[in-house]
Amino acid sequence: DTGVSQDPRHKITKRGQNVTFRCDPISEHNRLYWYRQTLGQGPEFLTYFQNEAQLEKSRLLSDRFSAERPKGSFSTLEIQRTEQGDSAMYLCASSLVTSGGGQETQYFGPGTRLLVL
Amino acid sequence: GQNIDQPTEMTATEGAIVQINCTYQTSGFNGLFWYQQHAGEAPTFLSYNVLDGLEEKGRFSSFLSRSKGYSYLLLKELQMKDSASYLCAVRDSNYQLIWGAGTKLIIKP
Repeated sequence: DTGVSQDPRHKITKRGQNVTFRCDPISEHNRLYWYRQTLGQGPEFLTYFQNEAQLEKSRLLSDRFSAERPKGSFSTLEIQRTEQGDSAMYLCASSLVTSGGGQETQYFGPGTRLLVL
Repeated sequence: GQNIDQPTEMTATEGAIVQINCTYQTSGFNGLFWYQQHAGEAPTFLSYNVLDGLEEKGRFSSFLSRSKGYSYLLLKELQMKDSASYLCAVRDSNYQLIWGAGTKLIIKP
C-alpha cells in the first residue's frame, strides 16, 4: 500500500494528557499537511511542511499544538495538555509540488480520531 | 473574508442524477477541488477545475464558472455507495485550500 498512513487510528485520552500522532506520506511527496475535522464541517487547516520546513501554521492553532517533520518524510503532531475541545478527527494529507506549478492534489490518510474525556 | 457555500444535505433516488452546487468568495483563485468523504473516513479526491467549463470523469462531472464564483458536481446513475459527503475546496491566492462544510448526500432506493 503506497497511500498516506496515520497512526494510531483511534486515541482516547484524559484531559490534561499529551498525545502524539504520526503520519507517513506518499513516499515521493514533498508537501505534508495536517488538518482537524469535526462532525459536519470541512477540514480545518492546522499546518503544512515542504520537505522538512514548516512553512505555515494556522493562527487559530494554540501553543499546545506542535508538529515536526524532521527528515522530510514522516511527520508527528503533538497536542499537549489536551482539552475536551480537542476531540476531533486529525487528518494528514500529502502532495507533490513541482517547480512547473500546475495541479497540486492533496491525498489524505485515514485520520486519527481523538476523544478527550 | 473567505467563504465557501454548499447545501448542507441533499436527497436523491438510486439511478437518478443529482447536482451539488458550490459558490465561493476567496482572495484569488488557483483551482477548485471536489472530494468525496464517507462517514468516518478520509476525503478522497474526485475532480479538479481551474478553467471554465465541464470536466467529465465517468459518472461524475464537475463544472466551473470563475466569473460567477460557482461550481457544481454532477453525479449520474446514482448508486447506494454514492451516499457520502461531498466537499468543495478552493485554492486561494496564497495557494491555501479553503474548504466548504460539505454536502451530505443521501441516496434512497
